[in-house]
Amino acid sequence: GQSLEQPSEVTAVEGAIVQINCTYQTSGFYGLSWYQQHDGGAPTFLSYNGLDGLEETGRFSSFLSRSDSYGYLLLQELQMKDSASYFCAVRDRGGTGRRALTFGSGTRLQVQP
Amino acid sequence: KAGVTQTPRYLIKTRGQQVTLSCSPISGHRSVSWYQQTPGQGLQFLFEYFSETQRNKGNFPGRFSGRQFSNSRSEMNVSTLELGDSALYLCASSLEGTGNYGYTFGSGTRLTVV
Repeated sequence: GQSLEQPSEVTAVEGAIVQINCTYQTSGFYGLSWYQQHDGGAPTFLSYNGLDGLEETGRFSSFLSRSDSYGYLLLQELQMKDSASYFCAVRDRGGTGRRALTFGSGTRLQVQP
Repeated sequence: KAGVTQTPRYLIKTRGQQVTLSCSPISGHRSVSWYQQTPGQGLQFLFEYFSETQRNKGNFPGRFSGRQFSNSRSEMNVSTLELGDSALYLCASSLEGTGNYGYTFGSGTRLTVV
């Protein structure tokens, strides 16, 4: 099967940089994704890493190391609106073929003024 | 373009009843996945449909079923509801189902079983 681990909670101040780590254990691997979910809202797609390295999208960056089964989401110049839950997710291959996206339990980020 | 539409937004049902939830994906998206979200278990995968075929199924009892129509709209059904089925049910669509370019989620249906 597959499992993902990420911290349950992170607190940071406005303007700071925060890194949310994700380690995974899967049978086969098709990439690591990140999603953001505000309270009462739907998850929204942030980034996808299929290969090792850093992907940058504005204030958000995501990193993947397949050899370490590890990735992180980096949020820079934190704003109050970044307070939300962040989920890492993997697609892997199961016994009968490609599995759907499996999500981690989420990291609740609280940005303080 | 319109996003993923889920109906109804809220639902209250009695234990033992059955319920049907609906999801209309983004126009042109052929893959629809369903997830159950609860505070204790997070986002749990239910099933995935692609071009009317169930492609993947999560680890849920047979009381949970779904289908996809030729226009890619999808429904999920839960029979013999239990209190533990109370959750936010999310539907997500993508163009080809790999998720590489992200899934787009609907706002969900919040089901309360009393």
